[in-house]
Amino acid sequence: GQSLEQPSEVTAVEGAIVQINCTYQTSGFYGLSWYQQHDGGAPTFLSYNGLDGLEETGRFSSFLSRSDSYGYLLLQELQMKDSASYFCAVSRLTGGGNKLTFGTGTQLKVEL
Amino acid sequence: DGGITQSPKYLFRKEGQNVTLSCEQNLNHDAMYWYRQDPGQGLRLIYYSQIVNDFQKGDIAEGYSVSREKKESFPLTVTSAQKNPTAFYLCASSIVSRTGLISNSPLHFGNGTRLTVT
Repeated sequence: GQSLEQPSEVTAVEGAIVQINCTYQTSGFYGLSWYQQHDGGAPTFLSYNGLDGLEETGRFSSFLSRSDSYGYLLLQELQMKDSASYFCAVSRLTGGGNKLTFGTGTQLKVEL
Repeated sequence: DGGITQSPKYLFRKEGQNVTLSCEQNLNHDAMYWYRQDPGQGLRLIYYSQIVNDFQKGDIAEGYSVSREKKESFPLTVTSAQKNPTAFYLCASSIVSRTGLISNSPLHFGNGTRLTVT
């Protein structure tokens, strides 16, 4: 089978750094993506890791370790507008084609 | 501006009726997807299409049907066979890379349709 695990909720203060972890178990793993979704809105793409290591995009960074089946999203200099749900998603190659499977999401609350 | 349009934003139907959700994109993307999101849950893949006139079942295709007659359009029909149709439905699109892989291409999502069946 396959599974993705991420914490359901994380709380942090404005200006701080927060790390959202994601562990996965899946066949045909190809890469790990991160998406942000504000309440009732459309998910938006944040980052993709196809290779081990760190990818940095502004205040956001994402990390992947294939050997540990683990990744994380790092958010720096937190702002109130970062309060949202964050989803990790695994890309996998299957007999039926290419699929993107999402985790259940981590709700991030940024407080003053 | 390019994007994905889903309509309507809210939809109400009686149990036993089929309903079709619209999804149109002008991003010139080859691949399109339908996801379902329930409260506090992740996104679950219903159907996806990598090219016109072809589509594949996702993880929860039962009770749903799709068509891909045009590159820009990928309508989803929620049939009366779907046991729990009330949910937030999200349509997305992406490019298909030169290698034919869509797995590493970012998905662009529409704003969703919230379907309530009573």
